[in-house]
Amino acid sequence: AQRVTQPEKLLSVFKGAPVELKCNYSYSGSPELFWYVQYSRQRLQLLLRHISRESIKGFTADLNKGETSFHLKKPFAQEEDSAMYYCALISTQGGSEKLVFGKGTKLTVNP
Amino acid sequence: GAGVSQSPSNKVTEKGKYVELRCDPISGHTALYWYRQSLGQGLEFLIYFQGNSAPDKSGLPSDRFSAERTGGSVSTLTIQRTQQEDSAVYLCASSQDRGIFAFFGQGTRLTVV
Repeated sequence: AQRVTQPEKLLSVFKGAPVELKCNYSYSGSPELFWYVQYSRQRLQLLLRHISRESIKGFTADLNKGETSFHLKKPFAQEEDSAMYYCALISTQGGSEKLVFGKGTKLTVNP
Repeated sequence: GAGVSQSPSNKVTEKGKYVELRCDPISGHTALYWYRQSLGQGLEFLIYFQGNSAPDKSGLPSDRFSAERTGGSVSTLTIQRTQQEDSAVYLCASSQDRGIFAFFGQGTRLTVV
């Protein structure tokens, strides 16, 4: 099965501390992986994708095929980073290409 | 507007009733997706449309759920004989081709009492 696992439902850190949101995946072959973010009262939006190897709002994520992981990291968390974060992959099961999401991690950055 | 629009924003209905949720995708987007977001369950895929056809309905939880899309644009998700476990936020997303850069609507919060 093609799926994503986010082991932490809740993560709380202090402002300025490093943060890592964990994501593990199950996929045969080369997956396309993404991180989506949902801020309070806002719609879900794309944060970054592994293909572009970009850094958005100070966040980076590296695909580790050996560990089947795609953890999201930021060296110095900010209060405005508090949000719900979802890891996702493109699944080809069921006859279509579609995003399959993990259950999400709620990040709280305390002042 | 320029984004994905969903209506209503909130819907409270009694158990056993019928509800209809609407999604207006971004103009020109051929792919349209419905997801359900509930506490502790993350986002569950429901159904995918490419144009007016639905090649993937694998996520619909029961035969009480159905969806259609007309004119390659507006989509309607309907739930018959609603149950309390149907309470969730129903999200719609559209994209030009694949689901990669899917743009999401603000969702419809459905509460079944």
